[in-house]
Amino acid sequence: DIQMTQSPSSLSASVGDRVTITCRASQSIASYLDWYQQKPGKAPNLLIYAASSLQSGVPSRFIGSGSGTDFTLTISSLQPEDFAIYYCQQSYSSPRTFGQGTKVEIK
Amino acid sequence: QVQLQESGPGLVKPSQTLSLTCTVSGGSISSGDHYWSWIRQHPGKGLEWIGYIFHSGSTYYSPSLKSRVTISVDTSKNQFSLKLTSVSAADTAFYYCAREPSMINAFDIWGHGTMVTVSS
Repeated sequence: DIQMTQSPSSLSASVGDRVTITCRASQSIASYLDWYQQKPGKAPNLLIYAASSLQSGVPSRFIGSGSGTDFTLTISSLQPEDFAIYYCQQSYSSPRTFGQGTKVEIK
Repeated sequence: QVQLQESGPGLVKPSQTLSLTCTVSGGSISSGDHYWSWIRQHPGKGLEWIGYIFHSGSTYYSPSLKSRVTISVDTSKNQFSLKLTSVSAADTAFYYCAREPSMINAFDIWGHGTMVTVSS
């Protein structure tokens, strides 16, 4: 199985801050990397697919980048509704695997 | 607009079989090139992919659960189902169904999720 490792596990930030979350795969996954946002009591919501493609309806402040083994999700200007847990997931091969999550909290 | 809805018992006894169904509305489970997955999340923990099925019936299961998992599809009812046998407390989790279009290889539509507790 491909292991996905996110960092940090949690972070505190203020509204307006630029936030960066990283995700590393245990082997090359080309650009088969997706990002999800999950709020308490809700199902995850797709933000980015194929490393950098913005899902329809997702604000442009969410930016994905990377390829191979190293990927980044950047929130260019953190908004109050962005406080949540973020997961990366590889879709290069099955079984699909997720990172352990990054909790973005209010500073 | 396609929507997914999980249904099934919220309480299952240890050693018994967990059975859940995902109903697809707003579109046909047979149309398009989509994989239909089950994903679970232990309370307060991360996401674990269980397996998927294609509308043709082909499946792939997570190796860690493969011996206990069956995913099936009923195209006439526009549903797909999960069976997990010999459950224990470790199977207590939120269970989600999700769609993965092969064009984007990402879970673009999720059900709301259903909590299943394994307890006597």
